[in-house]
Amino acid sequence: GENVEQHPSTLSVQEGDSAVIKCTYSDSASNYFPWYKQELGKRPQLIIDIRSNVGEKKDQRIAVTLNKTAKHFSLHITETQPEDSAVYFCAAPLTGNQFYFGTGTSLTVIP
Amino acid sequence: DADVTQTPRNRITKTGKRIMLECSQTKGHDRMYWYRQDPGLGLQLIYYSFDVKDINKGEISDGYSVSRQAQAKFSLSLESAIPNQTALYFCATRGTAGNEQFFGPGTRLTVL
Repeated sequence: GENVEQHPSTLSVQEGDSAVIKCTYSDSASNYFPWYKQELGKRPQLIIDIRSNVGEKKDQRIAVTLNKTAKHFSLHITETQPEDSAVYFCAAPLTGNQFYFGTGTSLTVIP
Repeated sequence: DADVTQTPRNRITKTGKRIMLECSQTKGHDRMYWYRQDPGLGLQLIYYSFDVKDINKGEISDGYSVSRQAQAKFSLSLESAIPNQTALYFCATRGTAGNEQFFGPGTRLTVL
């Protein structure tokens, strides 16, 4: 949606390298920022999320950073593996209960 | 396991036909959503509901209607389908206490 911008739209990395996907949002009241992974032919699934009271959250090879002042948040995947290949979506809430999703990033990890 | 299901999984229909997509969930969640996914456009919110009989428009509600007759069911209707409604449709649920949305498997709709 127009309230959430996501870049890049496609990303190719060599196996073992890092991947970074960035999103910006417009609603300064947003306080929860999830990232979803969608494998080919499957449903989106939550992989990590962050609340606005923290600046970074990590879960093994995945991390999310949040800059509330600049209104952007990023997904970081380290030591990428072929199974990380998928489409990744960020999302941000509007007025508490609607979520606007970014347009997605198609990540390809080259073995 | 508690889940979100959608029927049908695939549907081909003709312009002008009425079609209904069904979503059921066994998660006990109050909040349900319908999204449309097109290549390069991500997930766009069509309608959402916080409780039985509660209906709210999303980003792209024109040409669609919904019904929430029971907590576990949220149906999406296209009264008169048109080709640009060809897309992948996802239903999602969300509990009152949490923020995570749980998606159904999707319905691939083709309008000829």
